[in-house]
Amino acid sequence: DQQVKQNSPSLSVQEGRISILNCDYTNSMFDYFLWYKKYPAEGPTFLISISSIKDKNEDGRFTVFLNKSAKHLSLHIVPSQPGDSAVYFCAAQNSGGSNYKLTFGKGTLLTVNP
Amino acid sequence: EAGVTQFPSHSVIEKGQTVTLRCDPISGHDNLYWYRRVMGKEIKFLLHFVKESKQDESGMPNNRFLAERTGGTYSTLKVQPAELEDSGVYFCASSPGTGGYNEQFFGPGTRLTVL
Repeated sequence: DQQVKQNSPSLSVQEGRISILNCDYTNSMFDYFLWYKKYPAEGPTFLISISSIKDKNEDGRFTVFLNKSAKHLSLHIVPSQPGDSAVYFCAAQNSGGSNYKLTFGKGTLLTVNP
Repeated sequence: EAGVTQFPSHSVIEKGQTVTLRCDPISGHDNLYWYRRVMGKEIKFLLHFVKESKQDESGMPNNRFLAERTGGTYSTLKVQPAELEDSGVYFCASSPGTGGYNEQFFGPGTRLTVL
């Protein structure tokens, strides 16, 4: 069973517009959420994260929103740039205990058109 | 500072053969993780080392997979004998510290193809 779901396999937006990538989770024990960006033939690169005690975290053009009651988070990129074209993975972590393994979604391929 | 490195970048082997993947984490990182992505699916956790000790190996598919971390530095993941379903990209990640939230730094991955 998938505990982290990214239901949109792909998203296409125009340069300068907003990109919104969505992620849902089922495990209420998750208390830390991360977004990773991945280019072809490279490993995932950390982008931004949010703790479950917050509902928003912003870093430059990237903002992550967390709705705990809905078990939903989203990544907003504004304005979108062609260099943002990549696969975006949502990941979740349960900081309890001593294992910090990440549980990933399947990813969303974002294409930003010039 | 050097990032996480993995070797080889690609490996093509036949079913029944043995393959060993290597990961060098970022220097000083106590935590080392192995993940695998099968085509079209999510990146899945395999196991977690803290220094040289296995903290969690709940994601290892079966006993054909053996991971080691010699002296708490680099790690190897051996698949013996390889099966077709073992094909995928194997990622290694590392992170510092032993408490709290951990941003994990990923290597470029090893693409394993079993024919």
